[in-house]
Amino acid sequence: NAGVTQTPKFRILKIGQSMTLQCAQDMNHNYMYWYRQDPGMGLKLIYYSVGAGITDKGEVPNGYNVSRSTTEDFPLRLELAAPSQTSVYFCATFGWGGAAGSEKLFFGSGTQLSVL
Amino acid sequence: TQLLEQSPQFLSIQEGENLTVYCNSSSVFSSLQWYRQEPGEGPVLLVTVVTGGEVKKLKRLTFQFGDARKDSSLHITAAQTGDTGLYLCAGDTGGGNKLTFGTGTQLKVEL
Repeated sequence: NAGVTQTPKFRILKIGQSMTLQCAQDMNHNYMYWYRQDPGMGLKLIYYSVGAGITDKGEVPNGYNVSRSTTEDFPLRLELAAPSQTSVYFCATFGWGGAAGSEKLFFGSGTQLSVL
Repeated sequence: TQLLEQSPQFLSIQEGENLTVYCNSSSVFSSLQWYRQEPGEGPVLLVTVVTGGEVKKLKRLTFQFGDARKDSSLHITAAQTGDTGLYLCAGDTGGGNKLTFGTGTQLKVEL
């Protein structure tokens, strides 16, 4: 199992450009999340989804959009990129899995985005 | 928005020393988790505490959940260079599995 896969790993955008960050999971988890993390800081929730067809805003949703047409995929769309959106973006799922067998967050390896 | 404050924000120590990281909030959490994150990777779960006053041990790491379930601490005994990383606490208020993450503690352990 690949777990949570994010693409691309790095991206540089010009101000005003748009892009989609991809996130795919093969663990059949219903809950999926998008977080952003600024250097040396904690994670802030952008959007989340409790299942296919259902999405909701997190703490910092402005400037972003999401969709959840399937259980597996949860893309994050940036419209009109701004320098304030320079950050590392993490996709995560919540559910059972792993060696410890506990219910927890599983993270992708992140997308480093710079808006110049 | 629930705020989880971690202290200290940065910590640089020598191998073999002990340290404690604190995670404080004015909100009550149904559970609290601790994660460790290494550069270029996503956070990895260390432990989940769910009962007020609960203490869990993971080798040299000791985690405690406050009696009122508003705060937690992580104590590392005889730190090793492999403990270097960003430590994050995350609280669950019990609604929709939305975790609120703390501000983070960057730990560096040197020889």
